[in-house]
Amino acid sequence: EAQVTQNPRYLITVTGKKLTVTCSQNMNHEYMSWYRQDPGLGLRQIYYSMNVEVTDKGDVPEGYKVSRKEKRNFPLILESPSPNQTSLYFCASSFQGLDYGYTFGSGTRLTVV
Amino acid sequence: QKEVEQNSGPLSVPEGAIASLNCTYSDRVSQSFFWYRQYSGKSPELIMSIYSNGDKEDGRFTAQLNKASQYVSLLIRDSQPSDSATYLCAVDHAGKSTFGDGTTLTVKP
Repeated sequence: EAQVTQNPRYLITVTGKKLTVTCSQNMNHEYMSWYRQDPGLGLRQIYYSMNVEVTDKGDVPEGYKVSRKEKRNFPLILESPSPNQTSLYFCASSFQGLDYGYTFGSGTRLTVV
Repeated sequence: QKEVEQNSGPLSVPEGAIASLNCTYSDRVSQSFFWYRQYSGKSPELIMSIYSNGDKEDGRFTAQLNKASQYVSLLIRDSQPSDSATYLCAVDHAGKSTFGDGTTLTVKP
């Protein structure tokens, strides 16, 4: 089944404890992206990647890191999480091209206490 | 001014009616435009994409794009209760995407 898989689905952590949210896609998509969704603020792009070793900042990159060493994987790293990073996170992927939108993963609900 | 603005809603229509959702954007370099549907507690799901001026139809859905007016719309014909969801407008330029806040649609039986 074609899908974007992110893990974990739920995570509670403490301030300052480094964490990684994994994302993998099996559709051979060139583009991958991370978003966070917050009530009243909508869906905001954190980072995106056009292909292996090519990444760029979205609208809210502060406090996050990404890497794209393989085409299928795009992990999101929070080196020192803070409570304001408590959010619902989505990974997504798409083919390159004007007509292709993103396919989203199921989401990761992160709580930082 | 937000980069992508949607009619705030909520929008309520009777079953069988046409639902009209609107979106304006500010960045003229935007190349592609998308409509996503998001059910409560679920992830966004792509329902329509458009990148040329005019209309694009897919089943009960029609997307309309007017680049001169920086306006995108989505029409849902013969609305069904299962169409009740939040609809997100997104604009994209080479992978960088910006979403509107969404319009919540309720279709009443």
